[in-house]
Amino acid sequence: DAGVTQSPTHLIKTRGQHVTLRCSPISGHKSVSWYQQVLGQGPQFIFQYYEKEERGRGNFPDRFSARQFPNYSSELNVNALLLGDSALYLCASSLGGRTLRGRNEQFFGPGTRLTVL
Amino acid sequence: AQSVTQLDSQVPVFEEAPVELRCNYSSSVSVYLFWYVQYPNQGLQLLLKYLSGSTLVKGINGFEAEFNKSQTSFHLRKPSVHISDTAEYFCAVYQGAQKLVFGQGTRLTINP
Repeated sequence: DAGVTQSPTHLIKTRGQHVTLRCSPISGHKSVSWYQQVLGQGPQFIFQYYEKEERGRGNFPDRFSARQFPNYSSELNVNALLLGDSALYLCASSLGGRTLRGRNEQFFGPGTRLTVL
Repeated sequence: AQSVTQLDSQVPVFEEAPVELRCNYSSSVSVYLFWYVQYPNQGLQLLLKYLSGSTLVKGINGFEAEFNKSQTSFHLRKPSVHISDTAEYFCAVYQGAQKLVFGQGTRLTINP
């Protein structure tokens, strides 16, 4: 079975540009979460989507947005890129569902490394 | 809000020696705790998790962790490390809505 896939693997942009990152969850998983991992730090939660609706949002500016499609894949969009947006962007998928809570293991993709020049 | 603190940013050990990576969490009524490993240029892989029940949790690759409520700790241990264990290790706590809060990470370096 394929795991979580992300594209592209690497991306170089300049300040002020826009970027779209893509994530395909494991088959059968309905929840997708996005994390930003700046070099030398732990991942920081950005968004969570379940059944195509935003269910959670981290402390990130409105330049960050996301959506989930009917096939449960997801896109993360970042507008007006800043140097500080350079990071590894991780997508995680899980079964989702309110009652499962912490039992709902999240499976991470390999990430997209974004460099902003 | 829940949080975790990883007490060591780097831990160097010799091959076949035991290792302990330390993690403290903020106190809460109920807490779900996780350890993830990140190999160079890869995503995160779950090593083990504590949800409830036995305080000693066994994971993959010979790792185990002990949940200690009185000390609010969830330290990761392995009795004998291998070169292939060289990686970044992250402790995380579940904060609801599929949100994980991660520590800063501990870089484990295995020397021959």
